Amino acid sequence: SQQGEEDPQALSIQEGENATMNCSYKTSINNLQWYRQNSGRGLVHLILIRSNEREKHSGRLRVTLDTSKKSSSLLITASRAADTASYFCATDVGANSKLTFGKGITLSVRP
Amino acid sequence: DAGVTQSPTHLIKTRGQQVTLRCSPKSGHDTVSWYQQALGQGPQFIFQYYEEEERQRGNFPDRFSGHQFPNYSSELNVNALLLGDSALYLCASSPIQGSTNTEAFFGQGTRLTVV
Repeated sequence: SQQGEEDPQALSIQEGENATMNCSYKTSINNLQWYRQNSGRGLVHLILIRSNEREKHSGRLRVTLDTSKKSSSLLITASRAADTASYFCATDVGANSKLTFGKGITLSVRP
Repeated sequence: DAGVTQSPTHLIKTRGQQVTLRCSPKSGHDTVSWYQQALGQGPQFIFQYYEEEERQRGNFPDRFSGHQFPNYSSELNVNALLLGDSALYLCASSPIQGSTNTEAFFGQGTRLTVV
């Protein structure tokens, strides 16, 4: 079963615009992580946010977590064509526990 | 510092055959997990190995088995292959068991096609 549900399923924007992707989950979590996947290859780790954190930044990425709503958002600012990929959120319920992924969001950034 | 490496990158097998996929974890990581990703879906957890033992298992049949070696590398074996086993198989490694840091790093995957 899939814990995370990303929204929207597909997003198409112009280069330079911001992209916002959302993830909702069903049970209490320990951490939430965002990953990027290019063309069905491996997953690239983007950012981890712990359940006691509300916001985290890494370069052009901003992640928020609202545990009361069981949701997270990933904002990519000033998008580039190279950001075109699938994005997944993944949750875990404790140290070394398995990751549970959503179905992913396909982001297309038009040059 | 090498990240997670998987081999082979692509594989074609016939129904009923057996396959072995290999993974070397990131340096300093001792826990290896395997995931199956069908086309258009998110990865699904198969199992996790630590100290050469299977510690957690997802909802996969016994045809899926694994092994972890003393150097922390791991193998995923699938017996009696079905067409539905065609997928991208991903290996993930994470730091010392019991750590609060649960960042998992993935390899490039092995694309298995069963014909």
